[in-house]
Amino acid sequence: DVKVTQSSRYLVKRTGEKVFLECVQDMDHENMFWYRQDPGLGLRLIYFSYDVKMKEKGDIPEGYSVSREKKERFSLILESASTNQTSMYLCASSSPGGHEQYFGPGTRLTVT
Amino acid sequence: RKEVEQDPGPFNVPEGATVAFNCTYSNSASQSFFWYRQDCRKEPKLLMSVYSSGNEDGRFTAQLNRASQYISLLIRDSKLSDSATYLCVVNENNFNKFYFGSGTKLNVKP
Repeated sequence: DVKVTQSSRYLVKRTGEKVFLECVQDMDHENMFWYRQDPGLGLRLIYFSYDVKMKEKGDIPEGYSVSREKKERFSLILESASTNQTSMYLCASSSPGGHEQYFGPGTRLTVT
Repeated sequence: RKEVEQDPGPFNVPEGATVAFNCTYSNSASQSFFWYRQDCRKEPKLLMSVYSSGNEDGRFTAQLNRASQYISLLIRDSKLSDSATYLCVVNENNFNKFYFGSGTKLNVKP
């Protein structure tokens, strides 16, 4: 059974804190993605990675960075959390070629 | 302008009804199309891919109209378990980028 896991289901952080969200997939997928999902806006792509140490900005990269040191792990970093980064964060992976994306269960982050 | 647009609903239908959702996309060069289903407080999961010739999977039928740049999802004989949010997803020339609609909420009532 394919699996994408995320380090936390719920997270509460204070403004200005550095936040790490971890994602691990066990399908040997080349592509990994970080999205945020907000009511009425749908899923928006923050960053994606198509190989180890490779990354590309998505549509809303400001305030975020990523790290992919190993194929199975893709981390999202909020350098200095702000209240407008309160959201549901979803990680996904896929094989190359525009095929199905597999999602993790999501991390609901609240920044106070 | 959003890449992918959907009617947010909600669509409230009785069990056994037929319901259809549409979704429009802005980039005529889009290559791949999908419908995902997302249950409340859960992650999205692939429902079905959408092929140029249209395709059917049990009670679900998906169609693509490239000329008008929309895709549709038809659900026949709705079940209570079909209640969810349905996300339209489009993949452009760059296979690494997917664009998601904001979803259409379906409530199937007994």
